[in-house]
Amino acid sequence: GQQLNQSPQSMFIQEGEDVSMNCTSSSIFNTWLWYKQDPGEGPVLLIALYKAGELTSNGRLTAQFGITRKDSFLNISASIPSDVGIYFCAGQGGTSYGKLTFGQGTILTVHP
Amino acid sequence: EPEVTQTPSHQVTQMGQEVILRCVPISNHLYFYWYRQILGQKVEFLVSFYNNEISEKSEIFDDQFSVERPDGSNFTLKIRSTKLEDSAMYFCASARGGDEQFFGPGTRLTVL
Repeated sequence: GQQLNQSPQSMFIQEGEDVSMNCTSSSIFNTWLWYKQDPGEGPVLLIALYKAGELTSNGRLTAQFGITRKDSFLNISASIPSDVGIYFCAGQGGTSYGKLTFGQGTILTVHP
Repeated sequence: EPEVTQTPSHQVTQMGQEVILRCVPISNHLYFYWYRQILGQKVEFLVSFYNNEISEKSEIFDDQFSVERPDGSNFTLKIRSTKLEDSAMYFCASARGGDEQFFGPGTRLTVL
């Protein structure tokens, strides 16, 4: 099946630093989504990307849909303590309403 | 802001018992999903549901699992005879028709 490789697995940063994480796949996806999950809660949608090459921002978050449709990255600028959590990329291929394939997650810790 | 809700938040059951996990998707959404997340692992797709039938299911979704939309608001996941390895967080998600899936807070299932 489709597999997503997400890196890094974890990051420990100081408040105010920028963060970058990415996902790569051997398969093409039609849509890339980035979610954040807090402990004991469900994933919360941060950004959705629909077109190869698309660059989309949501506040301090910026994400890009790779031109090959096999990768995506998420940047967080000027991190704050509430950015702590697990960030997941998810790819959707085939039909538009199909399943999401998730990466393994990046655990972000922000030191004040 | 509309959100997906799930009940119960935590279900403890004995191995071999039947459980029903309940979800209320966002009211104008048409596509419904169940995912699970074993502790410390990534989110995995179980099943998608549209127009009162299963659209797609994963290999995890075997004969012990079933889904139903018994009325206009609820979407349920039934596990007929639970096994120890069914212990996980179960997330319901819904989508209006595009690619953005919104997740509920999850039900933590513990099988003893």
